[in-house]
Amino acid sequence: AQTVTQSQPEMSVQEAETVTLSCTYDTSESDYYLFWYKQPPSRQMILVIRQEAYKQQNATENRFSVNFQKAAKSFSLKISDSQLGDAAMYFCASKRDDKIIFGKGTRLHILP
Amino acid sequence: DTGVSQDPRHKITKRGQNVTFRCDPISEHNRLYWYRQTLGQGPEFLTYFQNEAQLEKSRLLSDRFSAERPKGSFSTLEIQRTEQGDSAMYLCASRPTSRQETQYFGPGTRLLVL
Repeated sequence: AQTVTQSQPEMSVQEAETVTLSCTYDTSESDYYLFWYKQPPSRQMILVIRQEAYKQQNATENRFSVNFQKAAKSFSLKISDSQLGDAAMYFCASKRDDKIIFGKGTRLHILP
Repeated sequence: DTGVSQDPRHKITKRGQNVTFRCDPISEHNRLYWYRQTLGQGPEFLTYFQNEAQLEKSRLLSDRFSAERPKGSFSTLEIQRTEQGDSAMYLCASRPTSRQETQYFGPGTRLLVL
């Protein structure tokens, strides 16, 4: 079974600092996609960043970047210059068949 | 592009009652997905459609749950004889059938069964 593990239930970071959220996954597929989704309090889930497994280059979206270690099955999210609006639940996820498998999430607090 | 919409946003019901939720996907998105998210957990897949065809159902989808997408546009998720364990956020997502892999989520319907 495909699984996604987020070992940090909660994290805090000072505004303007950098934080890294960890994620490991398990899959038997050779071609797959990995995602980080953000779910702000009482607001809908939005895609932060996406990584295609066959691409060796780490994905980057503005202040968000990933460290994709395929052999280690690790997919961490780095948020640079943290802002108050980054406070949310962050879910790491992988795609199996046409379904998204989510981790349990990491709640990120931004300290002013 | 108005995004995925869901109705109602909140529903409180008594145990044993039936409830129905609606999801309107992004226009021209052929694939539509339902997920369930319980408190403190990530969303879990329930079922998905390609146009009007229901292609897969999770083991989580008991016989009391039924989903439809009759004209390949909006979808409904019905829960019969609700139980307290059905209390959760029900999320809908959609995407086009191109290779583009991103699913776009709606705001969810939060169900509370008393």
